[in-house]
Amino acid sequence: QVQLQQWGAGLLKPSETLSLTCAFYGGSFSGYYWSWIRQTPGKGLEWIGEINHSGSTNKNPSLKSRVTILVDMSKNQFSLNLSSVTAADTAVYYCARGTQTRVGFDIWGQGTMVTVSS
Amino acid sequence: EIVLTQSPGTLSLSPGERATLSCRASQRVTSIYLAWYQQRPGQAPRLLFSGASSRATGIPDRFSGSGSGTDFTLTISRLEPEDFAVYYCQQYGNSPYTFGQGTKLEIK
Repeated sequence: QVQLQQWGAGLLKPSETLSLTCAFYGGSFSGYYWSWIRQTPGKGLEWIGEINHSGSTNKNPSLKSRVTILVDMSKNQFSLNLSSVTAADTAVYYCARGTQTRVGFDIWGQGTMVTVSS
Repeated sequence: EIVLTQSPGTLSLSPGERATLSCRASQRVTSIYLAWYQQRPGQAPRLLFSGASSRATGIPDRFSGSGSGTDFTLTISRLEPEDFAVYYCQQYGNSPYTFGQGTKLEIK
């Protein structure tokens, strides 16, 4: 069964770096784009960025300066680092797989609630 | 950035009724790059349609998608209790990829 499982720290202080990892199981990792998406009550769903198996990335300009997305093909994993977090980065973070034709996100991780608080 | 505006914000209907949800884009979206998702409380979004009208695996045929250009519609022909959830449209044609703010479908 294809699935994404994600993990990472759920409580951060302002100025720290958010780090999340997502692992894919049950299928081919190549040929897809792998995204990070976050959800807040105020801004709704916000696409953060994506990476493919060869490490090519595409990021949302609104977050680009603080976002690093990396891939580890040997483990079928990809990761998100978001630096200098503030309370505005408090959200549920999801990893997701873009379909091969890049027309939707067909598999999602379970979500990680990240709270930024002093 | 393409802004997607969904209407209504909340739709109150009874099981068995027909639901019509709208998604309007601030600029033209190629139909193949318009997707719809369902999100139940405490769960991740689930892909319903990609390409505006191509039903994802396992999605019942009471769900249908249509539209082109800047106006897209998700229709649920006869509401089942499990259909009451929040629905989002999303465009994948222009980066940054964006989502609508959602329509909450609630039981009347």
